[in-house]
Amino acid sequence: AQTVTQSQPEMSVQEAETVTLSCTYDTSESDYYLFWYKQPPSRQMILVIRQEAYKQQNATENRFSVNFQKAAKSFSLKISDSQLGDAAMYFCAYRLYGGATNKLIFGTGTLLAVQP
Amino acid sequence: KAGVTQTPRYLIKTRGQQVTLSCSPISGHRSVSWYQQTPGQGLQFLFEYFSETQRNKGNFPGRFSGRQFSNSRSEMNVSTLELGDSALYLCASSSGRTPTNEKLFFGSGTQLSVL
Repeated sequence: AQTVTQSQPEMSVQEAETVTLSCTYDTSESDYYLFWYKQPPSRQMILVIRQEAYKQQNATENRFSVNFQKAAKSFSLKISDSQLGDAAMYFCAYRLYGGATNKLIFGTGTLLAVQP
Repeated sequence: KAGVTQTPRYLIKTRGQQVTLSCSPISGHRSVSWYQQTPGQGLQFLFEYFSETQRNKGNFPGRFSGRQFSNSRSEMNVSTLELGDSALYLCASSSGRTPTNEKLFFGSGTQLSVL
């Protein structure tokens, strides 16, 4: 069975600084997707970034980038130039490639606080 | 385009009652997934519907059920409510095409409190 682990329940960063959130996962599959979702107080889950396991290049979306280490089964999120609006719960998620399902397996989340 | 709409936003029920939650996906989306979010168990997959058929199910008791209508709107039902069913229930929609890394769009959830 696939599992996703986020070992940092809470993190804090100063505005304009950089922070890295950690995620590890376990799977015996070779093709899969990894995601980072953000959940602000509004409760709506918002996709931050996604990575296909078959791509060696790390995904980047503006201030957000990932460090994907397939052999180590590690998928960390780096937030550069942190902004107050980045404060939220961040979830790492896994989805199997292919198949007829959109089932996501989530980690337990990291609560990020941004200090002004 | 309107986003994913979940109703109601908040719900209070008592043990033993049943409840129905509704989810209207983004127009044109045919896949609807449901997740339960609790402080103790985190986010857990309940089930997914595509074109009115359930195509995947999580490890939840039979008290949790769902359905999807021809307009892709989905409902989930929980019968004989227990205190542990108190949670935020999130719905997500997508076009449902596979295989793809398509984006899931989430609603703001229904917060269910069981007293």
